[in-house]
Amino acid sequence: GAGVSQSPSNKVTEKGKDVELRCDPISGHTALYWYRQSLGQGLEFLIYFQGNSAPDKSGLPSDRFSAERTGGSVSTLTIQRTQQEDSAVYLCASSSIPGTGNTEAFFGQGTRLTVV
Amino acid sequence: GNSVTQMEGPVTLSEEAFLTINCTYTATGYPSLFWYVQYPGEGLQLLLKATKADDKGSNKGFEATYRKETTSFHLEKGSVQVSDSAVYFCALRTSGTYKYIFGTGTRLKVLA
Repeated sequence: GAGVSQSPSNKVTEKGKDVELRCDPISGHTALYWYRQSLGQGLEFLIYFQGNSAPDKSGLPSDRFSAERTGGSVSTLTIQRTQQEDSAVYLCASSSIPGTGNTEAFFGQGTRLTVV
Repeated sequence: GNSVTQMEGPVTLSEEAFLTINCTYTATGYPSLFWYVQYPGEGLQLLLKATKADDKGSNKGFEATYRKETTSFHLEKGSVQVSDSAVYFCALRTSGTYKYIFGTGTRLKVLA
């Protein structure tokens, strides 16, 4: 696609439910990132993928959080047994490999998750 | 570890004032440096970037110079407009990990 696409744009869920957030990166971008932005806070790194593998998942807050990427393209971030502190905007970004052109990350519009 | 530190906001300026938002970094190797901007209600978008020492990134009247000796990448604009009101994020990307590390963001408010 033309840009990074995330769905849903908004999600309201009840505490304790599981949610899945989807990211469709720019075609051809091998690197994919998930970040979390809480109200009034900066960007908190969660995980990044190179192809289908995740060399760095150090930012995942707990074992309730997991992510996968298939076919070197779409990624899904899953939060199990959601808690109110999970409420935030979840941002996905993709980029090409350095040395092959642009090194910038392109961001999606984000998914605003509200846990009630 | 790698990190980015940027000045705390909010920064409030009058239209046509000079803007500086400080950003310093700690990184191994030679990172690429970025400024991203988030306008109200919108997603993050790249404002400018620099990939090696002494490079100057520029866009929309904003400039930042990659200073290796002071490990800094300060954002400047000579004359701000109300439409520049946004949150600005400084970021780095290291060649070893491809991971982007962001500062906490600086909110800029420009008054007419």
